[in-house]
Amino acid sequence: EADIYQTPRYLVIGTGKKITLECSQTMGHDKMYWYQQDPGMELHLIHYSYGVNSTEKGDLSSESTVSRIRTEHFPLTLESARPSHTSQYLCASSELAGGNEQFFGPGTRLTVL
Amino acid sequence: KQEVTQIPAALSVPEGENLVLNCSFTDSAIYNLQWFRQDPGKGLTSLLLIQSSQREQTSGRLNASLDKSSGRSTLYIAASQPGDSATYLCAVWNSGNTPLVFGKGTRLSVIA
Repeated sequence: EADIYQTPRYLVIGTGKKITLECSQTMGHDKMYWYQQDPGMELHLIHYSYGVNSTEKGDLSSESTVSRIRTEHFPLTLESARPSHTSQYLCASSELAGGNEQFFGPGTRLTVL
Repeated sequence: KQEVTQIPAALSVPEGENLVLNCSFTDSAIYNLQWFRQDPGKGLTSLLLIQSSQREQTSGRLNASLDKSSGRSTLYIAASQPGDSATYLCAVWNSGNTPLVFGKGTRLSVIA
C-alpha cells in the first residue's frame, strides 16, 4: 500500500483566499507530481519535481505554485483562489530510478465559492 | 509526442463476464506501462506495472499484456464483479525522466 497523504481531503473556500494543499509521502521517492482533474474528466499534469529544489510546470497551465524543500513534502499553493480553481487535485510520487511505479494520494476536492 | 488512447470510453457488462480493455500508444519506445483504477471522487490505485522487456503481468483476476512493437496493451478482467466498476486508466513512460502520459480511461460498469 502506498504511503502518500494529502490534506485537507475537502476544502470549501471563498474567492480571493490563499490556500495551500499539502502532500507528503514516506517512501523516500524523489519524484512527485500534482494533477488536476475535473469530475469525470481526464487527468492534467500541472507541476512536478524530481528532487529537492527542483520544480517544473506540467502540460496544463496553472496559476498555482509549488515548492520542494524536503524530499517527502510537495505543497501546492494558490495565492488567490477563484471559482475556476474548483476541481480535484491529486498528488503522486515515484522513485527516481527502478520500476518507476507511480503511486497516488487520495486527492483534495477544492470548491471555491 | 506520445499519445495514449483507450477504447472503449465506456463499457457495461453483466456480472461474471470476462472482459478486455484496450490501450494503444503512438511511440513504441516506452520504458514501461502502468494500469490504474480510479473510483469516483478518489485517487488512482496502481493495478499492474509492465516493464518494456516484459510481455505480461498478472494480479489475481487481472492480466495485463504489452506488445511494444504494435503499440498496444490490454487489461483482461476475469469473472467480473460489481466491485470492479470503476474507471481504468493506462499510462506509459517514455523514459525514466519524463512524466507519465495518461489515456482518458475506460469507465466500466459491471451489472449484478
